[in-house]
Amino acid sequence: DTGVSQDPRHKITKRGQNVTFRCDPISEHNRLYWYRQTLGQGPEFLTYFQNEAQLEKSRLLSDRFSAERPKGSFSTLEIQRTEQGDSAMYLCANEDRAADTQYFGPGTRLTVL
Amino acid sequence: GESVGLHLPTLSVQEGDNSIINCAYSNSASDYFIWYKQESGKGPQFIIDIRSNMDKRQGQRVTVLLNKTVKHLSLQIAATQPGDSAVYFCAENEGSQGNLIFGKGTKLSVKP
Repeated sequence: DTGVSQDPRHKITKRGQNVTFRCDPISEHNRLYWYRQTLGQGPEFLTYFQNEAQLEKSRLLSDRFSAERPKGSFSTLEIQRTEQGDSAMYLCANEDRAADTQYFGPGTRLTVL
Repeated sequence: GESVGLHLPTLSVQEGDNSIINCAYSNSASDYFIWYKQESGKGPQFIIDIRSNMDKRQGQRVTVLLNKTVKHLSLQIAATQPGDSAVYFCAENEGSQGNLIFGKGTKLSVKP
């Protein structure tokens, strides 16, 4: 158990609906990352926060995606107008800055019908 | 990711044997590498890491080797156990942003 929790663990939604995922990191680690993982592939970077500031977004993060970390603790990832191609595992990772090591949560499995 | 890849997609070993999982990376500027283990339905679990100023690091039953000359990383698991069955990913940390670039993974199957 890495101490990073994600909710929900599974989400099934219909195309066009909005979904929101939550990540609760280890409180003392100030960098938080979001990744997406499709079946058979490694995780792909989406975005990251240092405290409450969103510092980097990948080209994978279309305008339908938005992430927040309002108080520098938990973070949310929202996908608007979901598409079938959004079906994936969404992973949150917290970084131990003393060691540059990223610890992952269990992920949220999204299925878009 | 494009800059990190694995030589073999699957590896099957007998219980008790040693396992070697290989990884190639392309960014010579990367200075930090991590191996993760991922079981079905779970998030990646940190196994071991190594910085570019080292060529070998050992943990409990695991050893990571880094060859910067040929940009090659390997994970050695000693006395492989059924509980080691999983997909193993190598990842590199490039740049100041800290986001990891992952390879596609190697599925390790341990036969009893």
